[in-house]
Amino acid sequence: EVQLVESGGGLVQPGGSLRLSCAASGFTFSFYSMNWVRQAPGKGLEWVSYISSSSSTIYYSDSVKGRFTISRDNAKNSLYLQMNSLRAEDTAVYYCAREAKYYYDSSGYNVFDYWGQGTLVTVSS
Amino acid sequence: DIQMTQSPSSLSASVGDRVTITCRASQSVSSNLNWYQQNLGKAPNLLIYGASTLPSGVPSRFSGSGSGTDFTLTISSLQPEDFATYYCQHSYSTPFTFGPGTKVDIK
Repeated sequence: EVQLVESGGGLVQPGGSLRLSCAASGFTFSFYSMNWVRQAPGKGLEWVSYISSSSSTIYYSDSVKGRFTISRDNAKNSLYLQMNSLRAEDTAVYYCAREAKYYYDSSGYNVFDYWGQGTLVTVSS
Repeated sequence: DIQMTQSPSSLSASVGDRVTITCRASQSVSSNLNWYQQNLGKAPNLLIYGASTLPSGVPSRFSGSGSGTDFTLTISSLQPEDFATYYCQHSYSTPFTFGPGTKVDIK
């Protein structure tokens, strides 16, 4: 059974730092690209960051670029998000999500097919 | 970046109703359009990919259509477990942005 379990959330002051982790099990972690997606309280889903299976390709949303760093350790089946210079607007539930290619009629489509339960990050003084 | 919009932002419906949600992309995403269902306090679940294909296990009352910039999600006969928020997401190019969501609640 595929499982993604986030940890590391909590209350942090503006300007502070936090490191989120996502522990993966039930699949070959090193084969899959991974993403972080966040959801502010009462708001919609916002894609945050992407990392390819080998860490060779990394993307960030404009809202976190220069402040957040995504990384992974395939030997430990783990995904990370280092968050620095945190702002009130970073307050959200952070989900890790597996990205997979689903096929239909010989066409492949990228999907986020498994998600963790989320970890809440609250930035407040 | 490709922007996604959805309409309506919310709707009220009864069990058994047919429900249609619309998603529009700011530029063509071909058929690279996914739908997710999110129940309150839970992580999203993949509902439809490739604009119209249901992953294994998704009930057939859900259907999707469209290509290019305009897409629809239809629930043919709303069931109690379908009261949730629905998000579209394109996967045409990074970033894979989400629509703002459509909340379906009980009339």
